[in-house]
Parts: sequence; C-alpha cells; structure tokens
Amino acid sequence: EIVLTQSPGTLSLSPGERATLSCRASQSVSSSYLAWYQQKPGQAPRLLIYGASSRATGIPDRFSGSGSGTDFTLTISRLEPEDFAVFYCQQYGSSPLTFGGGTKVEIK
Amino acid sequence: EVQLVESGGGLVQPGGSLRLSCAASGFTFSSYAIHWVRQAPGKGLEFVLGISSKGDNIYYTDSVKGRFTISRDNSKNTIYLQMGSLRLEDMAVYYCARARVAVSSPYFDYWGQGTLVTVSS
Repeated sequence: EIVLTQSPGTLSLSPGERATLSCRASQSVSSSYLAWYQQKPGQAPRLLIYGASSRATGIPDRFSGSGSGTDFTLTISRLEPEDFAVFYCQQYGSSPLTFGGGTKVEIK
Repeated sequence: EVQLVESGGGLVQPGGSLRLSCAASGFTFSSYAIHWVRQAPGKGLEFVLGISSKGDNIYYTDSVKGRFTISRDNSKNTIYLQMGSLRLEDMAVYYCARARVAVSSPYFDYWGQGTLVTVSS
C-alpha cells in the first residue's frame, strides 16, 4: 500500500498569497495517477486536480498541480477567501487507492 | 447535473447492522463504478469499498471484509451498502462517489453530501 504524507499539516496565509502544498508518496505513483481534493467544513470533498496536473471541470486556473514519481505539489497562485479549506491528495496508480492525511490552509 | 444522494445513516449499537443507499442522477449510471469513502469525525478520508458498473467486481478495504457488502440496482440508479457487525471505529460520515479511470483504484469526480453513521451503545 502506498502511504501519502502531506506537508505542512497547517498553512497560515493571507488572501492574495501563494500556497504551496506537498504530497510525498512512499513509493512511485504509477503514471502520475495523483488527484487533489478540497474540503470545506461540513461539505463533501471536491475534485480539483487529477493526473497530477489536469484541472477538473470548473476549477479556476489559480489551482495547479505538478510532480511525478514520489513528489507532488498543489499550488494556489493567489488565495481567494473561498479557498481556505483542507486539501487532500490521493493516489490511484495502484490498489488500494490511498489518501494523504490532509493540509489545512487557514487564514492568517 | 450529476447528483449523488446518500441516505440511511443513523445511530446503531456496536454489533448492529445498517443499510445505506446512494441514489444517482444526471448521468448514465450503468456506465460508472461507484465507491464508498468514509471520514471519521475530525479525521481524513478512507476508501471503504467499491463496485464496478455492472456489479461484477467489488473491491474492499481489509477492515470491512466479511462485514460490509455492496450492491447496485442499475434499474433504480442506486447503490447499497450493507454494514454488519458494526464497530466503534466504523463511525463516520459515509460518502458515495463516482469513480473514474480504473475500477479497482479510481479517482472521484463527483461526491454525495454524505450520511453520518454513529456507532454507540
């Protein structure tokens, strides 16, 4: 089973700032099959990125994903007030699929 | 509009049973695998089990094997999660989600709003 480690656990930033979230895998993720989700309190997760760098339908271009192998990054270029949430990475390159523990992006 | 709506959550005693449903609309239900993902209070996301589009392949996480089963009725656009021998650690919000790419290990492009299962005596 691939273990995903997300860092930092919490990121305190102000609106307008750039957010960089990391997701590290315990072994290489096949075909860059990595997804990112955003979850706000009391809501279901929302797909942001799949295939490490492809934005899902309707996702603003301030969200971008990069990486391959064992190291992946989600970048939010300029934080909007509605972006503050918890973000999860998930690998689907091998079974069982696994999620990272999450990074909380909070308002500073 | 793609919609997934879970129902059936509630309070159940340890060792008890519960059946969750996931009703889908807005897409060709019979063409997609559907999975259940759960989230314990204040915790992260955990894959539970999933079923292929025709219902002929099922995938479980080890902790629910022998206790949970999944089925689907493509004529009703509905997925069922039958949970038995419930444990305290099964308490969570249960989400159904539409699977993309591989059935055995997909990502999820649409999620339901979730239904809470509380296990307590």
